Amino acid sequence: DIQMTQSPSALSASVGDRVTITCRASQNIISYLNWYRQKPGKAPELLIYATSNLQSGVPSRFSGSGSGTDFTLTVDSLQPEDFATYYCQQSYSSPPTFGPGTTVDIK
Amino acid sequence: EVQLVESGGGLVQPGRSLRLSCAASGFTFDDYAMHWVRQVPGKAPEWVAFISWNSEYIDYAEFVKGRFTISRDNAKNSLYLQMNSLRTDDTALYYCAKAKGDLYFEYWGQGSLVTVSS
Repeated sequence: DIQMTQSPSALSASVGDRVTITCRASQNIISYLNWYRQKPGKAPELLIYATSNLQSGVPSRFSGSGSGTDFTLTVDSLQPEDFATYYCQQSYSSPPTFGPGTTVDIK
Repeated sequence: EVQLVESGGGLVQPGRSLRLSCAASGFTFDDYAMHWVRQVPGKAPEWVAFISWNSEYIDYAEFVKGRFTISRDNAKNSLYLQMNSLRTDDTALYYCAKAKGDLYFEYWGQGSLVTVSS
């Protein structure tokens, strides 16, 4: 199975800040990397698929980049609803696997 | 609007069975593959099972192979997960999810809580 790691595991930020989260795969997954946001008590929601494609309805302050084993999610101008946990997930091979998550809380 | 509504969760003793259902609406159900994904509160989601649009291709996580069965009824816009020989470490919130591509998850339901305990 492909192992996914994320850093940092948690961070504190303020509304309006720019935040970057890193995800690393244990092997080359080309660009088969997706990002989800999970608000407390809610289901995860797809933000970005295939490294850099914004899911329909997702605000443009979210962006993704990377390839191979190293990927990043950037949130420009953090909004109150962005204080949540973010997960990366590889869709290169079965089983699809998730990173452990990065929790963004209010500074 | 896509809606996925899970049901059938509850408290069950180890070794017993439970069947989860997922009612889908807001999209053409039989055009899409579907997944079950579970999550222990405070932990990352964990993929459980996949079924193609026509049920011809099915895949399971190793930890449920031989115990869980995924199925669908396209006429009823419904997805199912039959869970047998339940273990305490199967305790989790179980989500059904609409596939985007094959191996990622475009929309999720609200989840159905399964608690396995004596």
